Amino acid sequence: TQLLEQSPQFLSIQEGENLTVYCNSSSVFSSLQWYRQEPGEGPVLLVTVVTGGEVKKLKRLTFQFGDARKDSSLHITAAQPGDTGLYLCAGTRGSQGNLIFGKGTKLSVKP
Amino acid sequence: DTGVSQDPRHKITKRGQNVTFRCDPISEHNRLYWYRQTLGQGPEFLTYFQNEAQLEKSRLLSDRFSAERPKGSFSTLEIQRTEQGDSAMYLCASSRTSGTPDTQYFGPGTRLTVL
Repeated sequence: TQLLEQSPQFLSIQEGENLTVYCNSSSVFSSLQWYRQEPGEGPVLLVTVVTGGEVKKLKRLTFQFGDARKDSSLHITAAQPGDTGLYLCAGTRGSQGNLIFGKGTKLSVKP
Repeated sequence: DTGVSQDPRHKITKRGQNVTFRCDPISEHNRLYWYRQTLGQGPEFLTYFQNEAQLEKSRLLSDRFSAERPKGSFSTLEIQRTEQGDSAMYLCASSRTSGTPDTQYFGPGTRLTVL
């Protein structure tokens, strides 16, 4: 059983479209992080959210942590081909240091 | 701040051989993590160190796996008697315990292929 469920698994869109990726759990997380990963490379941190209801913006990317700290979303406005990659959400629980990852959403933005 | 580095980037080995990977964390990061990522999956936690102490090990870390961080700086991950199922990307990450939350920064990974 996956503790963090990401949806959709795959997303193929045209340049300029908007999209939202979801990360859901039945468990509470003390923090949640979003990473983007290119093929053959390690994940690159995009954002960390810690407070229920928190919203963070990074240029065209908007991240939200659910009020109950069980879910999160990533919204991309006017997607560009450079946004193509694997988007991973990962959370920490309590005092545990290790990250629990979802399976990721593979995004492809076509020009 | 040069980021987390890992060596080698790629390793091809025959089943039954031993392999060792190295990770150099961001300087002054006292926590170091190892993860494994197979195709189509997110990374899975293997083990982590705070300074030189190994504080937690996942059940994924069989007795063929051993990790060390002798001086609290770089770390090595050794796999003995490799099996084809060990083929994966091995990722290292580091963080500072003084950071809230414990934000982890990843290296580029070592891709292991066991033939």
